[in-house]
Amino acid sequence: GEDVEQSLFLSVREGDSSVINCTYTDSSSTYLYWYKQEPGAGLQLLTYIFSNMDMKQDQRLTVLLNKKDKHLSLRIADTQTGDSAIYFCAESNNAGNMLTFGGGTRLMVKP
Amino acid sequence: DADVTQTPRNRITKTGKRIMLECSQTKGHDRMYWYRQDPGLGLRLIYYSFDVKDINKGEISDGYSVSRQAQAKFSLSLESAIPNQTALYFCATSDFSRGDYNEQFFGPGTRLTVL
Repeated sequence: GEDVEQSLFLSVREGDSSVINCTYTDSSSTYLYWYKQEPGAGLQLLTYIFSNMDMKQDQRLTVLLNKKDKHLSLRIADTQTGDSAIYFCAESNNAGNMLTFGGGTRLMVKP
Repeated sequence: DADVTQTPRNRITKTGKRIMLECSQTKGHDRMYWYRQDPGLGLRLIYYSFDVKDINKGEISDGYSVSRQAQAKFSLSLESAIPNQTALYFCATSDFSRGDYNEQFFGPGTRLTVL
């Protein structure tokens, strides 16, 4: 089956930039997503990118997509303590519209 | 009020017991999903339903069953719970009319512990 991989943990200082990386194997992915899970809550969509784009910026968030290498990243500028959460990368394709999730990256922001 | 609700939020049960987790949504979406979350493994799909008459197995359906009682309700059952079903369970919904774009909306989760 298709696979999505992420590193488990990232620690940054408040005010620094955070970069969370993801790799995937499905060459037919049409959309790639970043979801955020805060403690005790469900997942919420943070941002997404269509596969024919290589970059998307939304305020403090920058998504970079390298389709050739099947690599997706999420950059959070000026990281705040409220950004501490688990971030999940996910992908969908046009064969049934299912989501395949990575294992999640726990971001810890130190004051 | 939350768009996707799950009951109960926490449940402790014993091996061999039958458990039902319930999910309701007010978003009017036709698609509903059940996932389980284990640390480091992300979310794994248990079952999904594209409408009331359509139920499909996901990646890890063994030991689980589902019922789509109405467009707004999708329940997950563990017929005979076992300890390795201890996990966080999430219900999610999405809108078929969005095509390939599959933003899913998640409930707050049910933490299930099987002793």
